[in-house]
Amino acid sequence: GQQLNQSPQSMFIQEGEDVSMNCTSSSIFNTWLWYKQEPGEGPVLLIALYKAGELTSNGRLTAQFGITRKDSFLNISASIPSDVGIYFCAGHGSGGSNYKLTFGKGTLLTVNP
Amino acid sequence: DTAVSQTPKYLVTQMGNDKSIKCEQNLGHDTMYWYKQDSKKFLKIMFSYNNKELIINETVPNRFSPKSPDKAHLNLHINSLELGDSAVYFCASSGGGRGRRSEQFFGPGTRLTVL
Repeated sequence: GQQLNQSPQSMFIQEGEDVSMNCTSSSIFNTWLWYKQEPGEGPVLLIALYKAGELTSNGRLTAQFGITRKDSFLNISASIPSDVGIYFCAGHGSGGSNYKLTFGKGTLLTVNP
Repeated sequence: DTAVSQTPKYLVTQMGNDKSIKCEQNLGHDTMYWYKQDSKKFLKIMFSYNNKELIINETVPNRFSPKSPDKAHLNLHINSLELGDSAVYFCASSGGGRGRRSEQFFGPGTRLTVL
């Protein structure tokens, strides 16, 4: 089945630093999504990407749909303490069920004030 | 104006018991999902219903039985609970309403602890 490799597994950064994380896939996707999960809550959709090469921003967050359609990147600029959480990438479509998301294993972000 | 809601938030029970988790969405979506998140935070799809029809049924013990009375509700019944069933269960929905089909909106989760 389709698998997503998400890295890094965890990051410890200082407030104000920029953050980068990425996901790579063994197969292509039609859609890439990025979610954030805070402790005790469900994942919240941050950004959805629909075209290869697409670059989309949501406040201090920017995500890109890789040209090969097998990868995606999420950048967070000028991190703040409330950015703490687990960030998940997810891929959708192309060869699998039209309804199924494949999730990465998450990047745990810790921001030191 | 909660989008996807689940009850209960916490569920603590003994091995061998039967329990249910309920999910409701008011986003106008036609597809609903159940996920299991283990202690390592890995999100694994269990089931999905589209307009009350089961469309995804991953390798899940048949002690787990989903039921969708209508497209706004998806419940999960678990028989003969085992220690390994302890996890956080998330409901999600997508399609036909807010957002595109691929954009799944998650509930707050139900933390199940089996003693």
